Amino acid sequence: DTGVSQDPRHKITKRGQNVTFRCDPISEHNRLYWYRQTLGQGPEFLTYFQNEAQLEKSRLLSDRFSAERPKGSFSTLEIQRTEQGDSAMYLCASSSPPGRVNYGYTFGSGTRLTVV
Amino acid sequence: GQQVMQIPQYQHVQEGEDFTTYCNSSTTLSNIQWYKQRPGGHPVFLIQLVKSGEVKKQKRLTFQFGEAKKNSSLHITATQTTDVGTYFCQKDYKLSFGAGTTVTVRA
Repeated sequence: DTGVSQDPRHKITKRGQNVTFRCDPISEHNRLYWYRQTLGQGPEFLTYFQNEAQLEKSRLLSDRFSAERPKGSFSTLEIQRTEQGDSAMYLCASSSPPGRVNYGYTFGSGTRLTVV
Repeated sequence: GQQVMQIPQYQHVQEGEDFTTYCNSSTTLSNIQWYKQRPGGHPVFLIQLVKSGEVKKQKRLTFQFGEAKKNSSLHITATQTTDVGTYFCQKDYKLSFGAGTTVTVRA
């Protein structure tokens, strides 16, 4: 399977706990993106990497969120001190650099987070 | 950043009928990407349009980029239940997505 993999698929956590999600992109893609999606809404941008460099982070993202891509391959997204409002689907996507023929994102299946 | 406007937000279609959804921008676009998200699924890339007036077809789906490169459309003919989902457009390699057009089909 050469798609984008996300782990875990589902996570239920108690309010105040920390959670970490992992994303393995398509190996040829140097860009990796994190999005959050709630029911009825489009994906909301969180952050993205080009190789290991984090190039942009949404201003909506609180300091409780942090992402890494240490070797330019897989990435992790950590949420500290989770709140109920963090409950959402967290989507990872990867792409080649813009300008390539038929450029587009490949999304993973997501991690559904429920904070209770 | 500025998002594109997708019209309509909801589309209820009788099975077998055609429909069109639009992606409009007030500024000239260099490119546009279309995605489909099935209920409970994740967005799947459909196509990229780059050239003015470009038309691309995928079976019953026809994608068009306006001559002025300020709008794009997705036309689906003979709608089937497999067309159910939300269709998003993404402009100019931008990181943001709009709310999309959510399509439901009446059998």
